[in-house]
Amino acid sequence: DIQMTQSPSSLSASVGDRVTITCRASQNISNFLNWYQQKPGKAPKLLIYAASSLQTGVPSRFNGSGSGTDFTLTISSLQPEDFATYCCQQSYTTPRTFGQGTKLEIK
Amino acid sequence: EVQLVESGGGLVQPGGSLRLSCAASGFTFSSYWMHYVRQAPGKGLVWVSRINVDGSSTNYADSVKGRFTISRDNAKNALYLQMNSLTAEDTAVYYCAREVTRDGYNSARFFDYWGQGTPVTVSS
Repeated sequence: DIQMTQSPSSLSASVGDRVTITCRASQNISNFLNWYQQKPGKAPKLLIYAASSLQTGVPSRFNGSGSGTDFTLTISSLQPEDFATYCCQQSYTTPRTFGQGTKLEIK
Repeated sequence: EVQLVESGGGLVQPGGSLRLSCAASGFTFSSYWMHYVRQAPGKGLVWVSRINVDGSSTNYADSVKGRFTISRDNAKNALYLQMNSLTAEDTAVYYCAREVTRDGYNSARFFDYWGQGTPVTVSS
């Protein structure tokens, strides 16, 4: 199975800050990397697919990059509604493994 | 509007069984691979199972193989997860999810719609 490792596991930031979350795959997954946002008690929401493609309706302050084994999610200017948990997922192969999540909290 | 509405979760004793359902609407259900993902309390997302468009191909996480069975009824626009021999480690919220597949130059696979989740608690 492909292991997905996110860092950091938690992050404190303020409204307006720029934050970056990293995801590393245990082997080459090309660009088959997706990012999801999850709020407490809610289902995950797709933000970025294919490493860098913005899902319809997602604000442009969310940006994804990377290929191969190393990927990043950047939020350019944090808004109050962005405080949530973010999770990467590889879709290169089955099982579709997820990172352990990064909890973004208000400083 | 695409909707995935889940049902069937609840409290079950160790060794017991449950059948989860996921009712799909607003899209051509028979055109999509479908997945189940679970999330234990306070933990991350874990992929459980997937099924192809006509139900002829299925895959499972090692932790549920031989105990869980995924199936679908395209005539009813419904996805199912039969869970047998449940243990405390199966306690989680279970989500169904639709997978989009794009082939060609800009190929991609991703879960664009998720159900609301149904909680399963295995306890005596």
